[in-house]
Amino acid sequence: DAGITQSPRYKITETGRQVTLMCHQTWSHSYMFWYRQDLGHGLRLIYYSAAADITDKGEVSDGYVVSRSKTENFPLTLESATRSQTSVYFCASSESGRNQPQHFGDGTRLSIL
Amino acid sequence: SQQGEEDPQALSIQEGENATMNCSYKTSINNLQWYRQNSGRGLVHLILIRSNEREKHSGRLRVTLDTSKKSSSLLITASRAADTASYFCATDDSSYKLIFGSGTRLLVRP
Repeated sequence: DAGITQSPRYKITETGRQVTLMCHQTWSHSYMFWYRQDLGHGLRLIYYSAAADITDKGEVSDGYVVSRSKTENFPLTLESATRSQTSVYFCASSESGRNQPQHFGDGTRLSIL
Repeated sequence: SQQGEEDPQALSIQEGENATMNCSYKTSINNLQWYRQNSGRGLVHLILIRSNEREKHSGRLRVTLDTSKKSSSLLITASRAADTASYFCATDDSSYKLIFGSGTRLLVRP
């Protein structure tokens, strides 16, 4: 029962570089989400997806891009990383989205120098 | 924007004592969920309470919901050192997107 896995767990990069964070789930859940967690802000939604090829913006989507060509994968790309994007990033999935719990990966700690 | 706000921000108790955390929110909700986060790990779902429910139990957890006051509480009874974690409430306004509060850090001293 692998569940939901994120890679890498830790990443250090420089401003201006492109970075892709990976998320893979084994449950065939329809909905997937990306959040960032910063001190004092809790978790904030970046992007979400209701199904393959269907994505939509969340609260803090500027500077991020997502894709979902397969149900099980939901990569998040920072096109040109900035220091303000230093954060812990969490991927989550849920079976149907409504009245369902979300299942989280263990996060990617991203530092941008 | 944050919908849920937890109170207190931090709580320190002795093992065996009860821990109560509160959550307030601003707009109408479809359901409210509580999650736990251990240090360095992802969030783990604890309990979901729908807007038409007033109380729900799961093991040592008891959640109440008062929609008239737009508030919820999470009670952990007979706490253990392993309960040390951050606890978050999250609200669902029927858009299937959760909005999380900033959390309560619970320390249970052995």
